[in-house]
Amino acid sequence: DVKVTQSSRYLVKRTGEKVFLECVQDMDHENMFWYRQDPGLGLRLIYFSYDVKMKEKGDIPEGYSVSREKKERFSLILESASTNQTSMYLCASSLTTGGYNSPLHFGNGTRLTVT
Amino acid sequence: DQQVKQNSPSLSVQEGRISILNCDYTNSMFDYFLWYKKYPAEGPTFLISISSIKDKNEDGRFTVFLNKSAKHLSLHIVPSQPGDSAVYFCAASAAGNQFYFGTGTSLTVIP
Repeated sequence: DVKVTQSSRYLVKRTGEKVFLECVQDMDHENMFWYRQDPGLGLRLIYFSYDVKMKEKGDIPEGYSVSREKKERFSLILESASTNQTSMYLCASSLTTGGYNSPLHFGNGTRLTVT
Repeated sequence: DQQVKQNSPSLSVQEGRISILNCDYTNSMFDYFLWYKKYPAEGPTFLISISSIKDKNEDGRFTVFLNKSAKHLSLHIVPSQPGDSAVYFCAASAAGNQFYFGTGTSLTVIP
């Protein structure tokens, strides 16, 4: 089974702090994704990466950056946390791009609260 | 603009009956559709998928139907069980690239 591990389940940070959310997958998947989930808004894509050192903006990249130095690890960075970034953050991976047998596999999420 | 829509925020069904969850999409380029199940404080879990070359895919109690002309898909759960109570998200992509998710439907199965 694919395992996607997010380093923290719960985080509380102060406004203005730099925040790192870490994600590791163990199945040699090419693609990795960061989503946030908010009530009534579903899952919205922040950034994704289809290869090491490659990144693509999703629908809501403002206020975020990412880093993918190794294939198995994808980090989400909040440069200066703000209260509107309080959310559930979900990391996901998929085997490859294209085709119909490559669903997203999600981690358990990080609940971030910015005060 | 929401490309994948789930217009029912919640659904309640008696145990043993059928649960039908609906999803509409607007982008005709979407060719890969998925359903995910999410329990509180956990990540979404992949449930079932369908490609645009099919109109039905079945896996045990779960069946997904795709109506391309109506840009509509549905998930049928038969028979519904209390453990099926969760939030269900539909998702769509074009050629397996970026995935777009609906806002979710919270299913409650009443024992």
